Amino acid sequence: SQQGEEDPQALSIQEGENATMNCSYKTSINNLQWYRQNSGRGLVHLILIRSNEREKHSGRLRVTLDTSKKSSSLLITASRAADTASYFCATPRAGSYQLTFGKGTKLSVIP
Amino acid sequence: NAGVTQTPKFRVLKTGQSMTLLCAQDMNHEYMYWYRQDPGMGLRLIHYSVGEGTTAKGEVPDGYNVSRLKKQNFLLGLESAAPSQTSVYFCASSQQETQYFGPGTRLLVL
Repeated sequence: SQQGEEDPQALSIQEGENATMNCSYKTSINNLQWYRQNSGRGLVHLILIRSNEREKHSGRLRVTLDTSKKSSSLLITASRAADTASYFCATPRAGSYQLTFGKGTKLSVIP
Repeated sequence: NAGVTQTPKFRVLKTGQSMTLLCAQDMNHEYMYWYRQDPGMGLRLIHYSVGEGTTAKGEVPDGYNVSRLKKQNFLLGLESAAPSQTSVYFCASSQQETQYFGPGTRLLVL
């Protein structure tokens, strides 16, 4: 069963603009991760945010976590064509390192 | 370090044939996972392993078997392939929360 669900399913922006994608989940978690998948490739870990953190930065990425709303957002600032990819949020199954992935947001950055 | 590698990259099978997908990691990770990815479905966990010699069922285990005889290798077997198993298969490994993925195996079952 899907735990995290990303929104929107697809997003198209111009190079230089910011991209925001959201993830909602159903049960309490102790962390949430975001992964990127370029077309035809494996997933690459971007960032992990723990339940006691509200915001985390990594380069041009900013992730927020609102445990009261059971939601997270991923912001990519000053997007580049190379950011074109699918982005997935992932939440752990209780008491394990197993992850449940959402269906992803497909981001297209137009040069 | 090669990270996580998968063999083969692409395979075509006929219904009823069998095959084994190989995953290897050189990071000395305890945990390994097999996922399938289908359009519009995201990644779904097939089987996983929490250490050498252990395996467990994930979300969609039917029609698949796995083995973890060596810590660095995790094998996924299809005993009698069905068209519903046409998919892209990803292997991953982890030591804690973060998972590291292989490049995937694209499988077509006719």
